[in-house]
Amino acid sequence: SYVLTQPPSVSVAPGQTARITCGGNNIGSKSVHWYQQKPGQAPVLVVYDDSDRPSGIPERFSGSNSGNTATLTISRVEAGDEADYYCQVWDSSSDHRGVFGTGTKVTVL
Amino acid sequence: EVQLVESGGGLVKPGGSLRLSCAASGFTFSNAWMSWVRQAPGKGLEWVGRIKSKTDGGTTDYAAPVKGRFTISRDDSKNTLYLQMNSLKTEDTAVYYCTTVTYYYDSSGSPAEYFQHWGQGTLVTVSS
Repeated sequence: SYVLTQPPSVSVAPGQTARITCGGNNIGSKSVHWYQQKPGQAPVLVVYDDSDRPSGIPERFSGSNSGNTATLTISRVEAGDEADYYCQVWDSSSDHRGVFGTGTKVTVL
Repeated sequence: EVQLVESGGGLVKPGGSLRLSCAASGFTFSNAWMSWVRQAPGKGLEWVGRIKSKTDGGTTDYAAPVKGRFTISRDDSKNTLYLQMNSLKTEDTAVYYCTTVTYYYDSSGSPAEYFQHWGQGTLVTVSS
């Protein structure tokens, strides 16, 4: 089964840049999507298809994907960006299923 | 505005059954692919399963831990998605989210799906 690995935590000062990685075997050949989840709330889609943003998501959120690593980048980090972030792909290699990464807690110092 | 409202969660004993509902509004439900995603307390997100629209066959796919025990269905006349959960285990304890599914073929021609809109979730607790 396909596995996505994320660092458990990332810390960043306000105004700086946070980079959250998502590792998977040849993940660059798949489309990667990213979700933000604040405590007690449902997840929110922040990036889809590697690097596209849904309407209403700030340009500060961007994504890239190549080789074995996808990355979500949050520029000019704000206190309100503190949340858990999950990557996700659709694995159609064997049976068809959704796969989420292990999740990364972003702490704004 | 898309709205998804889950209901039906609660406390159930191991081996028991429960049916969750998700009332949808703000979009054409009959054309939508829909999914369930769960989150155990203090844990990450886990995909449970997905149902296609009837025009796309209405077929379902499930995660391995729930295959054969959980069934996803839909009533397009009521704009409602269901999750029938049987033979429940303590490890099924989680908040269950209903989501819309956006599907397409990516640049390499492979199918891709992601979860655009989410409900607020309903808590299922499996405990004796």
